[in-house]
Amino acid sequence: EIVLTQSPGTLSLSPGERATLSCRASQSVYSSYLAWYQQKPGQAPRLLIYGASSRATGIPDRFSGSGSGTDFTLTISRLEPEDFAVYYCQQFGGSPMYTFGQGTKLEI
Amino acid sequence: EVQLVQSGAEVKKPGESLKISCQASGYSFSNYWIGWVRQMPGKGLEWMGIIYPGDSDTRYSPSFQGQVTISADKSISTAYLQWSSLKTSDTAMYYCARERATPSGNWFDPWGQGTLVTVSS
Repeated sequence: EIVLTQSPGTLSLSPGERATLSCRASQSVYSSYLAWYQQKPGQAPRLLIYGASSRATGIPDRFSGSGSGTDFTLTISRLEPEDFAVYYCQQFGGSPMYTFGQGTKLEI
Repeated sequence: EVQLVQSGAEVKKPGESLKISCQASGYSFSNYWIGWVRQMPGKGLEWMGIIYPGDSDTRYSPSFQGQVTISADKSISTAYLQWSSLKTSDTAMYYCARERATPSGNWFDPWGQGTLVTVSS
């Protein structure tokens, strides 16, 4: 099983600052198979990034993804108030087919 | 617009059975895998399994194999998640989501709004 470990668990920042969220895999993940989601309280997750670095439709360009192998990063260049949420990485491959990281809470 | 609409919240007792649904619209239901994801209170996302409505090919996470049954009725564009005997530990929010599998990657989009299942005596 590929385990995804996200860090930090909680990130405290202010609007306008830059956020860097990490997702580390226990085994190498093919870049195409790494995605990022945002979840706000009381809402379903929303796709942000697929293929490690491609933004989903409608996602602002302040969100960017990068990385390869076992280390992946989600960067939010300038935080807006609506960006404070929980972020999950997800990989495809192996058994089970899909796994999620435990999440990073981005708080003000 | 591609949309997944899930059935409403449920309150059940331990040992009872339950089937929740996820109705799709705006795309060809038979041609895309639909996955189910559990989120226990205050916790993260856990992938449970996935079904291809076209031929009902189903894959389960080892953690959920034998604990739930995933099915689909392509005639009404609806996927299901069912339990034969609920436990209090099944209390959670359950999401369905359409899988996209392309040369650019594999991901879930969109997601249903979630179905809250509460199991309590």
